[in-house]
Amino acid sequence: EAQVTQNPRYLITVTGKKLTVTCSQNMNHEYMSWYRQDPGLGLRQIYYSMNVEVTDKGDVPEGYKVSRKEKRNFPLILESPSPNQTSLYFCASRGGFGFYTDTQYFGPGTRLTVL
Amino acid sequence: SQQGEEDPQALSIQEGENATMNCSYKTSINNLQWYRQNSGRGLVHLILIRSNEREKHSGRLRVTLDTSKKSSSLLITASRAADTASYFCATSAGAGSYQLTFGKGTKLSVIP
Repeated sequence: EAQVTQNPRYLITVTGKKLTVTCSQNMNHEYMSWYRQDPGLGLRQIYYSMNVEVTDKGDVPEGYKVSRKEKRNFPLILESPSPNQTSLYFCASRGGFGFYTDTQYFGPGTRLTVL
Repeated sequence: SQQGEEDPQALSIQEGENATMNCSYKTSINNLQWYRQNSGRGLVHLILIRSNEREKHSGRLRVTLDTSKKSSSLLITASRAADTASYFCATSAGAGSYQLTFGKGTKLSVIP
């Protein structure tokens, strides 16, 4: 089954404690991205990657890092989480881009609380 | 940056009625997509309409696109309680069009 998986699904942590949210897709997609969703603000893109070893900032990259060492994985790293990073996070992947942009597939979400 | 803006923010209708949601955007686009999100879950792609298309259908969904007005509408006909969800439009713009920019969504409640 084509899917994007994220782990963990729920995480409560404390300020300053480094954490990683994993994301994996089994569709051989080149394009992957991370979003955060906050009430009243909708989905905002954090980082995206067009292929292995190619990453770029989205709209709200501050406080986050990503890496793309393999095509299927795109982990999100919070080196020193702060309470304003409490949010619902989504990983997504897409096979194509350009005029005929393909469907974007989303993971189930990771609800992060930073105390 | 936010490109699409959905309207209304919230919509409540009776089962069997039609639901119409609108999306306005600011810059030229390559295509526009609609997604559905059930509470707290991942978004699910519904339909994509390209900039050279004016209308598209998929089951009970009808999407229109007016590039001169920079707007799109999503119509759900004969709504069901299971259609209760938030609906987002997302636009793909620019030469590379590798970014999808989402609006803030319309929360639809279908009352049985």
